[in-house]
Amino acid sequence: GAVVSQHPSRVICKSGTSVKIECRSLDFQATTMFWYRQFPKKSLMLMATSNEGSKATYEQGVEKDKFLINHASLTLSTLTVTSAHPEDSSFYICSARDDQGRGQPQHFGDGTRLSIL
Amino acid sequence: QKEVEQNSGPLSVPEGAIASLNCTYSDRGSQSFFWYRQYSGKSPELIMFIYSNGDKEDGRFTAQLNKASQYVSLLIRDSQPSDSATYLCAVRRTNAGKSTFGDGTTLTVKP
Repeated sequence: GAVVSQHPSRVICKSGTSVKIECRSLDFQATTMFWYRQFPKKSLMLMATSNEGSKATYEQGVEKDKFLINHASLTLSTLTVTSAHPEDSSFYICSARDDQGRGQPQHFGDGTRLSIL
Repeated sequence: QKEVEQNSGPLSVPEGAIASLNCTYSDRGSQSFFWYRQYSGKSPELIMFIYSNGDKEDGRFTAQLNKASQYVSLLIRDSQPSDSATYLCAVRRTNAGKSTFGDGTTLTVKP
């Protein structure tokens, strides 16, 4: 089945550090990828839509300068949390939409658990 | 009103029973419908998708879509304890658009 690799799976770092998370579609092309964050026992919250070769589209209330997204190829999107603070601690999940798959479903990475001390 | 509504549950069924999960949506222009399963602490996993009215079966799972009534459901036959998870319904208007997720229904299958 379709596989999305997300790395790293867990990050623990000091306040003020910038953290980069990678999302790769391993066996399909993904023009569009999505970045979500999820708090414990809460629903998925879409942060931004990442489009290959163009600027990401951010959801209302999400700071684009805080959460930098780069989608440089059809298989890779990165999210950088700049100058992270404890309130940025969360579970970040990427999702890639299969361009060629029937129904163009979204497939999720395993998520990155970010803890800012 | 939320765009995609799901009963948060928890829904509890005995092992071997049929679990029925429901989802309603507000956008009549929605074309594609997806069911995801999310175990606690893990990311969502696609179970199946449907875009035509009627039923779609895949193993123990059956998705049912009724566009006129704007609901989509997921039936899980012969429920197993390993089916215990949160089930997310997602709706999309076009292939180029983003999916809107419901808040999920938590299912517990008791041995």
